Amino acid sequence: DTGVSQDPRHKITKRGQNVTFRCDPISEHNRLYWYRQTLGQGPEFLTYFQNEAQLEKSRLLSDRFSAERPKGSFSTLEIQRTEQGDSAMYLCASSSLPGQGYTGELFFGEGSRLTVL
Amino acid sequence: ILNVEQSPQSLHVQEGDSTNFTCSFPSSNFYALHWYRWETAKSPEALFVMTLNGDEKKKGRISATLNTKEGYSYLYIKGSQPEDSATYLCAFRNNAGNMLTFGGGTRLMVKP
Repeated sequence: DTGVSQDPRHKITKRGQNVTFRCDPISEHNRLYWYRQTLGQGPEFLTYFQNEAQLEKSRLLSDRFSAERPKGSFSTLEIQRTEQGDSAMYLCASSSLPGQGYTGELFFGEGSRLTVL
Repeated sequence: ILNVEQSPQSLHVQEGDSTNFTCSFPSSNFYALHWYRWETAKSPEALFVMTLNGDEKKKGRISATLNTKEGYSYLYIKGSQPEDSATYLCAFRNNAGNMLTFGGGTRLMVKP
């Protein structure tokens, strides 16, 4: 396992279309996070999972956004009826649970860049 | 809403210069302060995770300090090299949750 992978790396879509991003975390990591980063800003927290349970969602996450992690492994982030303001880099990260050697460090994927025309 | 600020927003230095950036964060309910380096077209990578007031960490030419009582951390790069060009992000975690709140980043460009 070489790290966190995200797919697709780039997505261009027209306003009003639905898009879905996939994240495959490091296999032994229980926690999975989604962040969104827009130009000139730092990553903003969207949501996180511990195994298959979605434990926290940001108020930034409108009802057009939904995230799942059905088997506690990979996760998907779907955006329905995309708007131009959804254009951003969507980052996925994973981490282990507290225990021996735990630092809280997040391991990030390379991101999925969304452009909504 | 947690406020994490980084300064400067961007920095241009010559190869060989030493430089430093600032991250300020809430001084209450502190749990951890992270520094990440994010190179273009790559994934952000952790440099340091700091948890104790007065902590100083070092990795090669890069070091960081932490003051949790006043809510700031400094990142230092000694003898900057072109390969240090990246965006440096700090992220704060409080003791009420498991997610990180990121600052806006400092974009460093090192000219050869």
